[in-house]
Parts: sequence; structure tokens; C-alpha cells
Amino acid sequence: EVQLVESGGGLVQPGRSLKLSCLASGFTFSNYGMNWIRQAPGKGLEWVASISSSSSYIYYADTVKGRFTISRDNAKNTLYLQMTSLRSEDTALYYCARQENNNYGVMDAWGQGASVTVSS
Amino acid sequence: NIVLTQSPASLAVILGQKATISCTASESVNKFGINLMHWYQQKPGQLPKILIYNEFSRAPGIPARFSGDEAELNFTLTIEPVEADDVATYYCQQGLTFPYTFGAGTKLELK
Repeated sequence: EVQLVESGGGLVQPGRSLKLSCLASGFTFSNYGMNWIRQAPGKGLEWVASISSSSSYIYYADTVKGRFTISRDNAKNTLYLQMTSLRSEDTALYYCARQENNNYGVMDAWGQGASVTVSS
Repeated sequence: NIVLTQSPASLAVILGQKATISCTASESVNKFGINLMHWYQQKPGQLPKILIYNEFSRAPGIPARFSGDEAELNFTLTIEPVEADDVATYYCQQGLTFPYTFGAGTKLELK
């Protein structure tokens, strides 16, 4: 069974940093691209960042470019999101999602999400 | 960036009737003859789930009540007949280019 489990969320002050992790199991992690998607309270889905299976290709939303860094450790089956210079508008539930291999842009497995609250 | 305009924002449907959700793309999402438009369902308090990919292909386990179509950059998700379990928010998403973009969502309720 495919499982994605996020961790590392919490309450953080504006301007500070936080690192999210997503532990994958039930599939060969190193064969799949991965994504972070976030959802602010009561709002819709917003794609944040993507990383290819070997980390060769990385993309960011304009809203987080220069502040967030996506990375992965295939030996540990883990995806990361390093978030710096956090703002109140970064408050959201952060999902990691697997990129389906055969269809462009399809996210076929999602974690339960890690909650990030940016507030003083 | 490709903008996806989704409508309506909310929709109340009688059990057993048809629900139609629209998603209009600001530009083509076609690659190699395939429209890279996908639909997700998010039930209250749950994580999103892929329903339809590449405009009209149903994801594994998704019943035939769910269908996708396209006409001139206007993509449609149809649910017929609507069941109680379909109460959820539905999102379109384009997979052609980064940044991936989502529609604002359509909340389906029962009338």
C-alpha cells in the first residue's frame, strides 16, 4: 500500500524557518517525481514545488521561490521542504504528493498533510 | 501561467440528478494530442484524490458516474447520477507546464 506521511509542521513566528519531511513507503520512491501542495484554511489547493526522481529537475511556485527548497533523499525514502523567511500567508496544510509516472502532472497519491501556522 | 477558471463555486444537486462543473483554461493544455487536464475530489476533512486524468480517463476505482469532456478550452466534469457520497469539493488542475495550477474549486452539496 502506498503511504506518504508528513511530519515537521507546527507553529512558527514570522521570519523563522521550518523543515517538513514526507516519508514514503509501499512503492519504489526513487522512481517517482514528488510534489508539495498546500491548502490554506478554508481555501483551495496551491501547488508549491516539484522535484524529479533523481533531483535533476526542480520547480517552484513564484510565491515561494527563493524562500523554500525542495529536496529528497532516495536512500531514506524521504522528501523534504525547507521553508525560510516564513510569512503569515504561508499558513496552510502542506501535502506531499506522488507524481504519476505515465501521465503528465497527475498526482496519484497524497499524504494526510502537515499543518504549518505562521504567527507571532 | 495557465489560469483555470472554475465554475460554479458551489452547486446544490438533487440526489440522482446530474452535476456539471466547468473549468476554462486560459490557454491550451494539449501535449501530443492529449489534454493534460485532471480532476480531483476532496471530501470534507479528507485529502484530495485523483478522479479523472487527461481530460476524460477515469482513475482506477472511479465509477462510470464520473466523466470528463472538453470543448474549446472549456473542460467539464459531469457526475450522473449524483450520490450522497459525492458531497465534496472538486478541483481541476493542468499538468502541461510549471507552475501547475488548480481551479478555485467547486463545492458540491445535496439539495
